Amino acid sequence: DTGVSQNPRHKITKRGQNVTFRCDPISEHNRLYWYRQTLGQGPEFLTYFQNEAQLEKSRLLSDRFSAERPKGSFSTLEIQRTEQGDSAMYLCASSWGLAGRVRGQETQYFGPGTRLLVL
Amino acid sequence: SQQGEEDPQALSIQEGENATMNCSYKTSINNLQWYRQNSGRGLVHLILIRSNEREKHSGRLRVTLDTSKKSSSLLITASRAADTASYFCATIYSGGGADGLTFGKGTHLIIQP
Repeated sequence: DTGVSQNPRHKITKRGQNVTFRCDPISEHNRLYWYRQTLGQGPEFLTYFQNEAQLEKSRLLSDRFSAERPKGSFSTLEIQRTEQGDSAMYLCASSWGLAGRVRGQETQYFGPGTRLLVL
Repeated sequence: SQQGEEDPQALSIQEGENATMNCSYKTSINNLQWYRQNSGRGLVHLILIRSNEREKHSGRLRVTLDTSKKSSSLLITASRAADTASYFCATIYSGGGADGLTFGKGTHLIIQP
């Protein structure tokens, strides 16, 4: 299976602990996105990478959140000092996009997500 | 905040019937996409319609876009049990800003055998 993979699939942690999630995009894709989805809602955009550069961060991404994509391949999303409000499904997506193209024309392929529960 | 609003929030129909879901959005867009999400396969892209297109077909799916009304509809014909899922419309603002998709809250579709 050459789709987007995410690990772990589930994470339970205590409030105040740090957690880190990993996303492996489709290998030829240069763009990688992180979203968060809470129960009964659609996914909400968090941040976006073009290769290794983080180009966009949503206001939802507080200072406790940090994302990296060091070699332009896999990405990690770390949440420090977790709070109960961080409980959600964290989704990663990847796509292939050319510079200068009309925005949003490419299909984003989503991984299965990491479900986080903060106790 | 969510850009789109799907209507209805939930829909239950008999297998074989057609299902229609609507999406309204707030600002100018480059395109609009529909996604399906179920527990087995996660979030899957269904179809993309550009802002200069009015209708698009893909298999049993038919999508329309009315930019003057800022609305779109997704029609699934001859529904099957496997179509049971949540359906989301997603857009990207055409005026710059985030390259991430902005999703609605979704329509939960149940196909009864």
